[in-house]
Amino acid sequence: TQLLEQSPQFLSIQEGENLTVYCNSSSVFSSLQWYRQEPGEGPVLLVTVVTGGEVKKLKRLTFQFGDARKDSSLHITAAQPGDTGLYLCAGAPNSGYALNFGKGTSLLVTP
Amino acid sequence: SQTIHQWPATLVQPVGSPLSLECTVEGTSNPNLYWYRQAAGRGLQLLFYSVGIGQISSEVPQNLSASRPQDRQFILSSKKLLLSDSGFYLCAWSWKGQETQYFGPGTRLLVL
Repeated sequence: TQLLEQSPQFLSIQEGENLTVYCNSSSVFSSLQWYRQEPGEGPVLLVTVVTGGEVKKLKRLTFQFGDARKDSSLHITAAQPGDTGLYLCAGAPNSGYALNFGKGTSLLVTP
Repeated sequence: SQTIHQWPATLVQPVGSPLSLECTVEGTSNPNLYWYRQAAGRGLQLLFYSVGIGQISSEVPQNLSASRPQDRQFILSSKKLLLSDSGFYLCAWSWKGQETQYFGPGTRLLVL
């Protein structure tokens, strides 16, 4: 199993602040997904990155895939209370069907 | 567009009772299907995946089983539930040959 380490585990910030969460591994992934999950609901896909060095933007969210395809980051600009949730990264190994999930970063944005 | 359904949404069962959770996908054909368990709102553990009708691969040995009787239907079962089976069960699907998975709303199972 290729482990994905997410940091920080918990983050509590005020509305308007910027933040970055990280997803790191010693293994190479053919692609990496970021999901956001709210309590009692299934994870919702935010983005898939497939190319080393790739940067994708989704409104105030910026996702980057490391050049070596071993790590990724998610940057949120001017966080809003609606950004509150559990952010999960998941990597697809070069073979097999299983996505390897990190344990998530729990984000709380207070007004 | 594609949608994925799971039911029931919540289930409370006594230890030793049977279990059947259902997942169906609409708007696609011949998807890969997956069952995950999530403990304490954290990382997901893959339990089973299926690439076609009647084809099931198990990732973790346990007292659960899965079946795929129809192309877009995936069922998670147990003959006798254990306390440790409590958790949040998520079904997901993906296109053939693609790695991105799309999740259902989940089933919260509490075994007492």
